[in-house]
Amino acid sequence: GQQVMQIPQYQHVQEGEDFTTYCNSSTTLSNIQWYKQRPGGHPVFLIQLVKSGEVKKQKRLTFQFGEAKKNSSLHITATQTTDVGTYFCAGRNRAQKLVFGQGTRLTINP
Amino acid sequence: SQTIHQWPATLVQPVGSPLSLECTVEGTSNPNLYWYRQAAGRGLQLLFYSVGIGQISSEVPQNLSASRPQDRQFILSSKKLLLSDSGFYLCAWRASGGTWEQYFGPGTRLTVT
Repeated sequence: GQQVMQIPQYQHVQEGEDFTTYCNSSTTLSNIQWYKQRPGGHPVFLIQLVKSGEVKKQKRLTFQFGEAKKNSSLHITATQTTDVGTYFCAGRNRAQKLVFGQGTRLTINP
Repeated sequence: SQTIHQWPATLVQPVGSPLSLECTVEGTSNPNLYWYRQAAGRGLQLLFYSVGIGQISSEVPQNLSASRPQDRQFILSSKKLLLSDSGFYLCAWRASGGTWEQYFGPGTRLTVT
C-alpha cells in the first residue's frame, strides 16, 4: 500500500537555528497536510497544500509541495522553544484516504 | 464553533478487561469520524473510520471494534484487552464533502497492565 515517509525521525537544534522536515510519498497525492503535536498533546492541523509546486508561509514556517505532488517539506526559520513537538505530514491519495507519516520530533536547546 | 470531546482522559485497565472509549463532536452535522492509536513516540495508526451512523470501516485487524450509534458519537470498544492495546487513542473528525483537514480530540491514554 501507499507509504508516506518522513525524515528525519528526530532533530535537535539550538534555539535560533533553522529546522526542516521532509515528507515523501510512494504515490502521487491529491493534497498534503501538516500537523503539529506538542508533547503530551494531540495533533493540531497547520496547513493544507493542494497545487503542484505550491508554497505557503505561516510566520516563520514555510511549507512546500513538490512539482510531482509526491513530496513536501516544512521549514522553520529561527526556531523558538514554542516550536518543540512532533510534526506530521499526511497525504490524501487517490483512494481518498489520508495517510500519515511517522512524524519528525523536534527538540530545542534554549 | 465545532468541538470534539473524548473521555476518559486516562485509563488503566487489567489484561482481559473490557474497554469503552467515547468520542462526541459538537457544532457540526454528519461528520466523518476516525479512531487512531499512537504508540509512545510513534506515528498515528488509523483503526476505524465512519462516514455515517452505523457505517464503520476497519483498517487493521485487531481485537477492537467501533460503533457509531448517533451522528456525532463514536465509540471504541474491546471485549478483552491485550497488553499490546496500550497507547494513546485519538478521535478525529472532518467535515464530510469538505476539505480534508482533520481535527483531533484530546485523546485517551490507555495503559493495560
